[in-house]
Amino acid sequence: QLQLQESGPGLVKPSETLSLTCSVSGGSMSSSSYYWGWIRQPPGKGLEWIGTVYYTGTTYYNPSLKGRVGISVDTSKKYFSLRLSSVTAADTAVYYCARQSVVIDAIFLGDWSDPWGQGTLVTVSS
Amino acid sequence: DIQMTQSPSSLSASVRDRVTITCRASQSISNYLNWYQQKAGKAPKLLIYAASSLQSGVPSRFSGSGSGTDFTLTISSLQPEDFATYYCQQSYKIPRTFGQGTKVEI
Repeated sequence: QLQLQESGPGLVKPSETLSLTCSVSGGSMSSSSYYWGWIRQPPGKGLEWIGTVYYTGTTYYNPSLKGRVGISVDTSKKYFSLRLSSVTAADTAVYYCARQSVVIDAIFLGDWSDPWGQGTLVTVSS
Repeated sequence: DIQMTQSPSSLSASVRDRVTITCRASQSISNYLNWYQQKAGKAPKLLIYAASSLQSGVPSRFSGSGSGTDFTLTISSLQPEDFATYYCQQSYKIPRTFGQGTKVEI
């Protein structure tokens, strides 16, 4: 059974870079049927899609993050990572990683997220 | 961005009630619509994908329908474990966007 687990600092200072890792166990990351994504949820608020990465390294990002975001993958080590630069208090959230299944191999369309990691709270504060 | 609007934002219901939540997209998204359930302090859980496909392991009292811009999640007989917040999400355009959530309370 595939499992995902987020890890990284729980506290980041304003203007610094947030870095998280999602470790994948119980399955391969190299399947053509999946992307690997990040979603966040500010305390008490709704869900926001951050971006996703394919095992080849192809990425798609939420334009609202204005070039601050980077997602990378290491299939041999079975993890993918999120970097978010120049953080502010508005970036305080629970960050989730998830596998995103696609309808047609390699095409990022009609995807759904399952399973999810348990989430990790990242607070931006000095 | 495609805006996803859920209604109602919250509802009160009783065990064994039939519950319907609607989700409207700001433009046509074909059937690229997913539904998730989130309980307090937990990660979202996939219920329905592609508008009407039941995720493996999800009870059959959950069902989804719709296409284009209007979608519905139905719980045919509400159970105690179903009290949670439900989100719709479109997977047609980038960025993927979620509805604001519908909280189902006792």
